[in-house]
Amino acid sequence: EAGVTQFPSHSVIEKGQTVTLRCDPISGHDNLYWYRRVMGKEIKFLLHFVKESKQDESGMPNNRFLAERTGGTYSTLKVQPAELEDSGVYFCASSHLGLAGGLTLYEQYFGPGTRLTVT
Amino acid sequence: KNQVEQSPQSLIILEGKNCTLQCNYTVSPFSNLRWYKQDTGRGPVSLTIMTFSENTKSNGRYTATLDADTKQSSLHITASQLSDSASYICVVSGAGFQKLVFGTGTRLLVSP
Repeated sequence: EAGVTQFPSHSVIEKGQTVTLRCDPISGHDNLYWYRRVMGKEIKFLLHFVKESKQDESGMPNNRFLAERTGGTYSTLKVQPAELEDSGVYFCASSHLGLAGGLTLYEQYFGPGTRLTVT
Repeated sequence: KNQVEQSPQSLIILEGKNCTLQCNYTVSPFSNLRWYKQDTGRGPVSLTIMTFSENTKSNGRYTATLDADTKQSSLHITASQLSDSASYICVVSGAGFQKLVFGTGTRLLVSP
């Protein structure tokens, strides 16, 4: 079974430019999550898709970030325009869908991350 | 504020020795606690997941403990190997759709 894949692995852009990160979850996983780790800090939640719907986007830092998951398969995270503080490693994770409102424990599988450097 | 704190920040041990990593959390309501291993340049990989009703869980040489009353967890690594060198991250999930709160991790180096 293929794992979570992310593209690109590294991206270096200038302040003000646009970057789009892509995540392909494990096939059949309806939950898809985006996380970010900035230098020296802990990994932080950005948002959560259930299929194509945004379940929770409370972690998105501002409206320069736009996430989509058309068709409920792969997801993209666009940063436009990029700022210096957006530099970090962006992780995607996926899991099976639990029971609605339940506490079913499904492991989240993480991708290798995309390292974004804004100069 | 939901937080997860880990100690020590970093640790160096000799190959073959045991070690214990600590995690304290203030996440509420609490659903489950996970330990992840993250190798350099890789995404986190799950080691254990425990709910409030579990107080210990093992995965090979890794044993996690949980005290939901004191909101503390530990990860014990037995007979360390060079491949155990990595960051170990404690992650706590609140209720519902498993939004994860991450600790900053403990960086472990196992030296020959």
